Amino acid sequence: AQSVTQLDSQVPVFEEAPVELRCNYSSSVSVYLFWYVQYPNQGLQLLLKYLSGSTLVESINGFEAEFNKSQTSFHLRKPSVHISDTAEYFCAVSGNNFNKFYFGSGTKLNVKP
Amino acid sequence: EAEVAQSPRYKITEKSQAVAFWCDPISGHATLYWYRQILGQGPELLVQFQDESVVDDSQLPKDRFSAERLKGVDSTLKIQPAELGDSAMYLCASSLSRLSQETQYFGPGTRLLVL
Repeated sequence: AQSVTQLDSQVPVFEEAPVELRCNYSSSVSVYLFWYVQYPNQGLQLLLKYLSGSTLVESINGFEAEFNKSQTSFHLRKPSVHISDTAEYFCAVSGNNFNKFYFGSGTKLNVKP
Repeated sequence: EAEVAQSPRYKITEKSQAVAFWCDPISGHATLYWYRQILGQGPELLVQFQDESVVDDSQLPKDRFSAERLKGVDSTLKIQPAELGDSAMYLCASSLSRLSQETQYFGPGTRLLVL
């Protein structure tokens, strides 16, 4: 079975500061990893994904995540956050089981002015 | 940009009543998912369709929940009777196929409150 752990339920940070949202997964098979963002009362939007190749993946709005197989992690980072980044972020993993996603419990990022 | 549509956006119902949610996936997407997201938690898969067939309903409470995708396009999720513990956000998602690397695209969700 696969599972995802997001240790930080809430992360407060000041605007323009760097941030890291942690994600660890457990799986006995090869995995594909995703980060989604959810704004209040909305569905989930894909932020970035790791499928294969370079372990560092980037999104169009400045987020990046690095796949670390030895540490079974896929942490999300941004060097300088904006107020508009305030949202909840979910890490998800899928493997060789026909695209069944397992989600973490989410991390609420609160960017303060 | 194509989107997954869901209705209604909000639903308030009383315990023991029946409720139904509708989802229209992105055109051409063969795989459709229904998730339940309880406040403070991540989404949990309830049922997965490949075209019109159910391929995973292991987490669907079948005594009260049912789902169908009759023509392999839009889908309906029903709860009868609703219970207080069913209060949650119900999310629909779709993907091109069941391959494990396919991105799932989510709709805006239906927030259900059972009184």
